[in-house]
Amino acid sequence: NAGVMQNPRHLVRRRGQEARLRCSPMKGHSHVYWYRQLPEEGLKFMVYLQKENIIDESGMPKERFSAEFPKEGPSILRIQQVVRGDSAAYFCASSPPAGGPSGEQFFGPGTRLTVL
Amino acid sequence: GENVEQHPSTLSVQEGDSAVIKCTYSDSASNYFPWYKQELGKRPQLIIDIRSNVGEKKDQRIAVTLNKTAKHFSLHITETQPEDSAVYFCAARSYIPTFGRGTSLIVHP
Repeated sequence: NAGVMQNPRHLVRRRGQEARLRCSPMKGHSHVYWYRQLPEEGLKFMVYLQKENIIDESGMPKERFSAEFPKEGPSILRIQQVVRGDSAAYFCASSPPAGGPSGEQFFGPGTRLTVL
Repeated sequence: GENVEQHPSTLSVQEGDSAVIKCTYSDSASNYFPWYKQELGKRPQLIIDIRSNVGEKKDQRIAVTLNKTAKHFSLHITETQPEDSAVYFCAARSYIPTFGRGTSLIVHP
């Protein structure tokens, strides 16, 4: 059973470009969470999704950021018109349906976004 | 919302010593408290967790204690080894997890 997969592992964008980060949860997991981690800081919750539904996006900036988790395929975190302050490591995590919000989460390897 | 404070931010110990990291939380509805270890450039990995109906849990050299009344929980690592060196994060969650800022543990050989 493969773990949580994220790609790309490293992404370089120029200011104003779009960044697309992908996350494939563990097999059988239907809950996906996205986090942002700045250097020497903790993980900041961004958004919680289930298949075809955004459950909680309270941690996601209102502008330029969006997330989806379609019926088929990976979850996508999309950042439009990137700025230097978006440079960070973005982690996704998944959990099984039975675990729900209070269950164990399994993290992916992260995508390190660098905005030039 | 939930607020999690974690101390210390840096902890330096000699190999074989014990290490203790403490966290406090604010939301009394939080009922799940995981601890993660993150090595440089790697993903956070769950090392131990505790639920609110338990006061203490132990797994070999690692233990976690929870005081619900005082809203604090601690990670204890005994007989530390150089490979324990990493950043450790606590988290508290009732619905959405809130993470502490992390403790950089350095174990000197």
